Amino acid sequence: LAKTTQPISMDSYEGQEVNITCSHNNIATNDYITWYQQFPSQGPRFIIQGYKTKVTNEVASLFIPADRKSSTLSLPRVSLSDTAVYYCLVGLYNTDKLIFGTGTRLQVFP
Amino acid sequence: EADIYQTPRYLVIGTGKKITLECSQTMGHDKMYWYQQDPGMELHLIHYSYGVNSTEKGDLSSESTVSRIRTEHFPLTLESARPSHTSQYLCASRENRRRNTEAFFGQGTRLTVV
Repeated sequence: LAKTTQPISMDSYEGQEVNITCSHNNIATNDYITWYQQFPSQGPRFIIQGYKTKVTNEVASLFIPADRKSSTLSLPRVSLSDTAVYYCLVGLYNTDKLIFGTGTRLQVFP
Repeated sequence: EADIYQTPRYLVIGTGKKITLECSQTMGHDKMYWYQQDPGMELHLIHYSYGVNSTEKGDLSSESTVSRIRTEHFPLTLESARPSHTSQYLCASRENRRRNTEAFFGQGTRLTVV
C-alpha cells in the first residue's frame, strides 16, 4: 500500500477554490488515486478517482501529473458544507485492506 | 445510494455487557470492513473480510471479534464491554471483482460504555 502524505489541515473562505495536494512517491503502476470526504459523525464517501491527467465530476476535479507521484484534489467555489476531512488513498490494487490515514481537515469560513 | 445498514445507531451500555453491532449490505459485496473512530481522530481499520468464512484483523488491535457467515452480514461482537470501547464504529463494503472500486459506508454506531 503506497504511503501518502497530505496536509493535516487547511482553511478557506466561501467561494474560494481549494486545492489539496497528496504525495505518493511509491505509487505502483496499477494503482489508482482515490479521494474520500468525511463529514463529522458520518462514514467517508467516495468523491473522485483517477489514474492520470485530469478527472472531473460534479463535485471536484483531480489533477495527476505525468509522474503520478502526487495528485491534487480541487474543490471549486467551496461552501460551508464542504467543511470535512478529505482522504487520499493510493494502492488499492494490490491489497484488500482499506487504510485511510489522517486526511486533511478542511475548514470553510463564511 | 449505498445499501449498507448499521444497527443500532446509538448504544449506551454498562460495563461487562456483551454487545453485537450489526452491519448488513444488499449490494452483494464480498469485501467488508469495520473501523473505529473517536471524535476528530483518525479512522482505524480493526477488522476486514474477503468473503464468507474469511476474517482478518486490521491495523489497530481490537478486543472485538467478527464473523462472516453470510455475504451480506458482518457483525462485530464485544464479549465484555469496557469504557475504553466507547467510540464510533463504522462498517463499509466494496465489490471484489475490481480492485479499485469505491467503498460504501454505513451510518455508524456510536457506542458509549458506562
